[in-house]
Amino acid sequence: DAGITQSPRHKVTETGTPVTLRCHQTENHRYMYWYRQDPGHGLRLIHYSYGVKDTDKGEVSDGYSVSRSKTEDFLLTLESATSSQTSVYFCAITATSGSLETQYFGPGTRLLVL
Amino acid sequence: AQSVTQLGSHVSVSEGALVLLRCNYSSSVPPYLFWYVQYPNQGLQLLLKYTSAATLVKGINGFEAEFKKSETSFHLTKPSAHMSDAAEYFCAVRGGSQGNLIFGKGTKLSVKP
Repeated sequence: DAGITQSPRHKVTETGTPVTLRCHQTENHRYMYWYRQDPGHGLRLIHYSYGVKDTDKGEVSDGYSVSRSKTEDFLLTLESATSSQTSVYFCAITATSGSLETQYFGPGTRLLVL
Repeated sequence: AQSVTQLGSHVSVSEGALVLLRCNYSSSVPPYLFWYVQYPNQGLQLLLKYTSAATLVKGINGFEAEFKKSETSFHLTKPSAHMSDAAEYFCAVRGGSQGNLIFGKGTKLSVKP
């Protein structure tokens, strides 16, 4: 599992409230990613980070922000949660061995916005 | 731009039968391709990956996939399905220099006794 944990694992919140999801890794990987998984869409990239304080947008970044103040932590914030952000959120890292890259995923956070 | 298409959102096979899950890709550069499996209420687990070293790639749990450039395909196969193979399977292609993956929409595999 490449030492990736996510918290919380489950969350129920109300429309309009801010929500922060945390991804923590223990192996010092440079690249970290946030994806959301929705039925019929597979996984889609929200934001990614290529180092401390270095982040960029993905395919579905509207309504989300991220921060990475330490190598091991990558935070995803929903500024004002909406029902369309009900989803399962996965954090991932890229592990590099020689020239080979492999992406590993955390266990996911199930978010319900009422 | 890179993309993947998985043919069939649901596939059902009998236990012991061949499993074939289809994936076609589009890529402007030599692709890095992956298959992941997701069991109910769990994260994604890497099954196998293609990185141009060999066109036939063997993965975990008896799965393998063959890269066919002429067909732009990377289909996943297993000779004999087991009940424990019931899960959702995702094909993915490396999206760019930032290393993110672009996923297909997934294929849910059911295995009948």
